[in-house]
Amino acid sequence: NAGVTQTPKFQVLKTGQSMTLQCAQDMNHEYMSWYRQDPGMGLRLIHYSVGAGITDQGEVPNGYNVSRSTTEDFPLRLLSAAPSQTSVYFCASKGTGGNQPQHFGDGTRLSIL
Amino acid sequence: AQSVSQHNHHVILSEAASLELGCNYSYGGTVNLFWYVQYPGQHLQLLLKYFSGDPLVKGIKGFEAEFIKSKFSFNLRKPSVQWSDTAEYFCAVIDCRGNNRKLIWGLGTSLGVNP
Repeated sequence: NAGVTQTPKFQVLKTGQSMTLQCAQDMNHEYMSWYRQDPGMGLRLIHYSVGAGITDQGEVPNGYNVSRSTTEDFPLRLLSAAPSQTSVYFCASKGTGGNQPQHFGDGTRLSIL
Repeated sequence: AQSVSQHNHHVILSEAASLELGCNYSYGGTVNLFWYVQYPGQHLQLLLKYFSGDPLVKGIKGFEAEFIKSKFSFNLRKPSVQWSDTAEYFCAVIDCRGNNRKLIWGLGTSLGVNP
């Protein structure tokens, strides 16, 4: 199993550009989520999904869109990048049936100029 | 709402020193507790978890944590740290009320171990 795979690992964007961060998992996990990690602020939940076709907002959803057309994939879209979105982004997944721990991807380091 | 506090933001120790990182949560009902570690440049990895049973939980790499319900705490300990333990440590809680069991994260503790 590859686990949780995120691409790209690094990206530099200009303000106003759009892009999609990809996340895929091969563990048949229903629950997937996106976090951003910023110094001094820990992990903050952006969006999450409890299954294909179902998404919901987390703590800091503004400026981001998600979709969950399949169980495996949970892409995060930045519609119009802003410098405040410079961060490290982590995708995570976990199984259902109790309180399973989350499995994290390697992260995407995103810089917005 | 449930919240998680990690009181030590930065800790610096010498090798072989003992470690205790504090974690407190705000809601005293049924919770599930986790410690994650993030080594420099890497993703988060689960160190240990507590769901029920023995409140003293053993994790990987010699770490352990003790769940003390009366104190709403889940402190992480290691008797003797190594340089390779330099990392950021995150405490997280799942509040078992309701159906929406999201992880609530602490802000993290940065541990530096001097060789």
